[in-house]
Amino acid sequence: NAGVTQTPKFRILKIGQSMTLQCTQDMNHNYMYWYRQDPGMGLKLIYYSVGAGITDKGEVPNGYNVSRSTTEDFPLRLELAAPSQTSVYFCASTSGAWAGGYTFGSGTRLTVV
Amino acid sequence: DQQVKQNSPSLSVQEGRISILNCDYTNSMFDYFLWYKKYPAEGPTFLISISSIKDKNEDGRFTVFLNKSAKHLSLHIVPSQPGDSAVYFCAASPQGGSEKLVFGKGMKLTVNP
Repeated sequence: NAGVTQTPKFRILKIGQSMTLQCTQDMNHNYMYWYRQDPGMGLKLIYYSVGAGITDKGEVPNGYNVSRSTTEDFPLRLELAAPSQTSVYFCASTSGAWAGGYTFGSGTRLTVV
Repeated sequence: DQQVKQNSPSLSVQEGRISILNCDYTNSMFDYFLWYKKYPAEGPTFLISISSIKDKNEDGRFTVFLNKSAKHLSLHIVPSQPGDSAVYFCAASPQGGSEKLVFGKGMKLTVNP
């Protein structure tokens, strides 16, 4: 039972480069989320999806894009990386039964230099 | 305009004593509240939750109290154990399940042997 799997765990990007953070869940959850956590700060929502083919912006979507072609996968695309995108990125999913909360992946630590 | 506030960044307690972690919120539409625990280099894990129709919820050593009139909730850990040392996040949602969670900045708990 893998839960939510994020790859890569670490990445260093140069300013202006692009990359895709991968997120896969094997729990058949409809709802998936991308959060970022900056040092000393809480988690801020970037994008979320309520099901395959449906995505929407969260609190801090600028500089990112997402797609949800399958229930399992919810990749996050960074275009033209900037130092302000240096952060730890967490993917999460839920079935919608709130009492259990979200299941989070282990995170991707991204540094933009 | 932080909607979920954890005003104390850290707390240190002795093993066996009680740990009390506090959280305040400003949005009166929040109806569900959750606590997450996070170890270094891992994703947050769900700990305990409470609905606004309750004022207390227990799960083993963990109890969450909700005071709606004061817009305040607290997490009590009794007795505290060294393995409880982690960062604790308070989160809130205006409705259950799929609705986007709003997180506080987190509080680092250290339990000393």
